[in-house]
Amino acid sequence: EAGVAQSPRYKIIEKRQSVAFWCNPISGHATLYWYQQILGQGPKLLIQFQNNGVVDDSQLPKDRFSAERLKGVDSTLKIQPAKLEDSAVYLCASSSGVLVYGYTFGSGTRLTVV
Amino acid sequence: AQKITQTQPGMFVQEKEAVTLDCTYDTSDQSYGLFWYKQPSSGEMIFLIYQGSYDEQNATEGRYSLNFQKARKSANLVISASQLGDSAMYFCAMRGGSNYQLIWGAGTKLIIKP
Repeated sequence: EAGVAQSPRYKIIEKRQSVAFWCNPISGHATLYWYQQILGQGPKLLIQFQNNGVVDDSQLPKDRFSAERLKGVDSTLKIQPAKLEDSAVYLCASSSGVLVYGYTFGSGTRLTVV
Repeated sequence: AQKITQTQPGMFVQEKEAVTLDCTYDTSDQSYGLFWYKQPSSGEMIFLIYQGSYDEQNATEGRYSLNFQKARKSANLVISASQLGDSAMYFCAMRGGSNYQLIWGAGTKLIIKP
């Protein structure tokens, strides 16, 4: 089966600009996660979707970050306006609910804000 | 509160030697799952091994085994016969709570020396 697709792979923007990331999960996976991973740290959950509904967005900085998952498939994460501290890898993961195997991750988007 | 602790920021190991990466966890849940992921410099998260809290036997996957000591709340990863390609960041994570979210440790950077 195809893996979790993410784009772009890399992005460099200036502070106060906006940026969007795209994720296409594994077909049939109902749950989709967006994580932020700052260099040298473990991933931090930003938002979790179940189909097209939000399960948890408690750690999403809602003044600048937004995410949507239309039709319960693809998802987009947006940052507007970006700050220097947003420089990180943004990982998308999906899960079928088969607990043993947990989650499948995409290759991530490495964002640099200058 | 749920927490994962990885106390080894970095490790150097000689090729072909076995290596143990430490992970301790804290949770009040009776049912939980423990995962190990490998993250090479390319950034993707690669699933290695899973241990369920009710599993009586330690999980094994090829050269990877998980030393699960429930009473001590530890879930150490053992890599046998290390290879140069094992050089990467290794993350321990725990699935808990009703939303099946992952709580992550800070990671251990493993470098295999030829």
